[in-house]
Amino acid sequence: DQQVKQNSPSLSVQEGRISILNCDYTNSMFDYFLWYKKYPAEGPTFLISISSIKDKNEDGRFTVFLNKSAKHLSLHIVPSQPGDSAVYFCAASANSGGSNYKLTFGKGTLLTVNP
Amino acid sequence: GAVVSQHPSRVICKSGTSVKIECRSLDFQATTMFWYRQFPKQSLMLMATSNEGSKATYEQGVEKDKFLINHASLTLSTLTVTSAHPEDSSFYICSASWRQGGTDTQYFGPGTRLTVL
Repeated sequence: DQQVKQNSPSLSVQEGRISILNCDYTNSMFDYFLWYKKYPAEGPTFLISISSIKDKNEDGRFTVFLNKSAKHLSLHIVPSQPGDSAVYFCAASANSGGSNYKLTFGKGTLLTVNP
Repeated sequence: GAVVSQHPSRVICKSGTSVKIECRSLDFQATTMFWYRQFPKQSLMLMATSNEGSKATYEQGVEKDKFLINHASLTLSTLTVTSAHPEDSSFYICSASWRQGGTDTQYFGPGTRLTVL
């Protein structure tokens, strides 16, 4: 049973446009969500996170939106740059207050930004 | 930002041998470290949660006698794959948890590519 789903395995956008990556979850206990970016043969790089008490968090070109009622979150990248091309993983945890929290990852979405 | 290193980045070994992978948090102390493995075109699968000075907690289906985890200090955790077999070939990634502003964020190492011949 996949608790975190990224239904789009790939996404292609033009440089300068907006990239929207989507993520759905089924576990209502999840209260902390993160996005990671990963290049091949490297570890994931933390991008941005959001707690369930918020519905939006912004950091530079990256904005994450959370819709708790729909159990849906999205990552917006604007403007998209060729260097953003990578696999993006959505992750969720059920205990944001403790250091022992476990992350559940989606399968990732490959973003390609074309020059 | 928080930096996590892994060593080695790549290792090739013969079937039946043991391989040790180190994970270090370089600029912060991490009470908790995590070990993941990733198969090609798959997501990251949590193998175990490691706390400094205590036994690791393994996920269901992960053999604790095969994947030995030692967390000797707040900056170092090791994963030893014992009696490695070709099916253990995978990309192993560690992460370390760093608390900032009341929440914990996992920062990942660069990963270790293990190939068992």
